[in-house]
Amino acid sequence: EAQVTQNPRYLITVTGKKLTVTCSQNMNHEYMSWYRQDPGLGLRQIYYSMNVEVTDKGDVPEGYKVSRKEKRNFPLILESPSPNQTSLYFCASSWGGTRGEQYFGPGTRLTVT
Amino acid sequence: SQQGEEDPQALSIQEGENATMNCSYKTSINNLQWYRQNSGRGLVHLILIRSNEREKHSGRLRVTLDTSKKSSSLLITASRAADTASYFCATISQGGSEKLVFGKGTKLTVNP
Repeated sequence: EAQVTQNPRYLITVTGKKLTVTCSQNMNHEYMSWYRQDPGLGLRQIYYSMNVEVTDKGDVPEGYKVSRKEKRNFPLILESPSPNQTSLYFCASSWGGTRGEQYFGPGTRLTVT
Repeated sequence: SQQGEEDPQALSIQEGENATMNCSYKTSINNLQWYRQNSGRGLVHLILIRSNEREKHSGRLRVTLDTSKKSSSLLITASRAADTASYFCATISQGGSEKLVFGKGTKLTVNP
């Protein structure tokens, strides 16, 4: 089944404790991206990747890192999480960059205390 | 950088009625996409309309695009309780940027 998976689905952590949210897709998509969704602010793009070893900042990249060492994986790293990073995070992938249908993962609800 | 803005923010209708949601955007676009999100879940792609298209259908969905007014509408006909969800439009600007920008969404409630 074609899908985007994220882990963990739920995470409660404390300020400053490094964490990684994994994202994996099995559709051989070149384009992958990360969004955060907050009430009243909608979805905002954090980072995106056009292909392996090619990443670029979205609209809200501060406090996040990404890497794209393999085509299928695009982990999101929070080196020192802060409470303002409490949010619902989504990974997405597509074959045609942003011009094509985006396939979204199920989301990761992160709480930073 | 907000591009698409949906209207209304919330819509409540009875099962069987039609639901219309609108999206306005600011700059010229290559295409416009509509997505649905059930509460707290990942977004699901509904339909993509290109800038040279005016109307597109998919099952009970009808999307129109008016590039002169920089607006699009999503019509769901004969709505069902299962259509209850938030609906988002997403656009990318012409000019090479690969950022897909989502609006804040319309929350649709279909009452049985």
